[in-house]
Amino acid sequence: SQKIEQNSEALNIQEGKTATLTCNYTNYSPAYLQWYRQDPGRGPVFLLLIRENEKEKRKERLKVTFDTTLKQSLFHITASQPADSATYLCALLFFSGTYKYIFGTGTRLKVLA
Amino acid sequence: DGGITQSPKYLFRKEGQNVTLSCEQNLNHDAMYWYRQDPGQGLRLIYYSQIVNDFQKGDIAEGYSVSREKKESFPLTVTSAQKNPTAFYLCASSISVAGDPPLHFGNGTRLTVT
Repeated sequence: SQKIEQNSEALNIQEGKTATLTCNYTNYSPAYLQWYRQDPGRGPVFLLLIRENEKEKRKERLKVTFDTTLKQSLFHITASQPADSATYLCALLFFSGTYKYIFGTGTRLKVLA
Repeated sequence: DGGITQSPKYLFRKEGQNVTLSCEQNLNHDAMYWYRQDPGQGLRLIYYSQIVNDFQKGDIAEGYSVSREKKESFPLTVTSAQKNPTAFYLCASSISVAGDPPLHFGNGTRLTVT
């Protein structure tokens, strides 16, 4: 079955550094891979989407890479700020009769001032 | 301001009671979804609906029921048959099920059953 793995351990990083989060998946080839941010007690908020034929996507301080050979996506936050502290979820969308999402468990990021 | 409204934010029920969680969207989205979030697990799909008067079971539909009588509304009923109902429930919508554009989520309802 399809599986997504994110580092379940929290990531602590010093303000101003680059945070790198990893999302690994197995089996199916995804049509898209998406990254969401979730704050405590709130719903996830969409950040970036990358398609299977794209290698990299950027939005302001965010960058996502997608390696379909390694079956891995990396999510980078440059010049990190304490306000970036949150849980980050990756979601894989693949087609199997209909489009289906699989979500990772999320990685909690804490940016230290 | 467009978005998804889930109510209530916190809900407490006794075991054996059915409870209905509300989800309303004013984004004019066709597709709506219900997910369940538990600590240490990814979001799991309960039900989804692509159009009014149509809905499909997700991966963990047992013990839940939904309706989609209006485009804007997709209520979820947690029945007494759901063995472990305490969880954080998230409603989402999208223009279509094709994944681009992505999901818009509400801010969830935390259900506690004792």
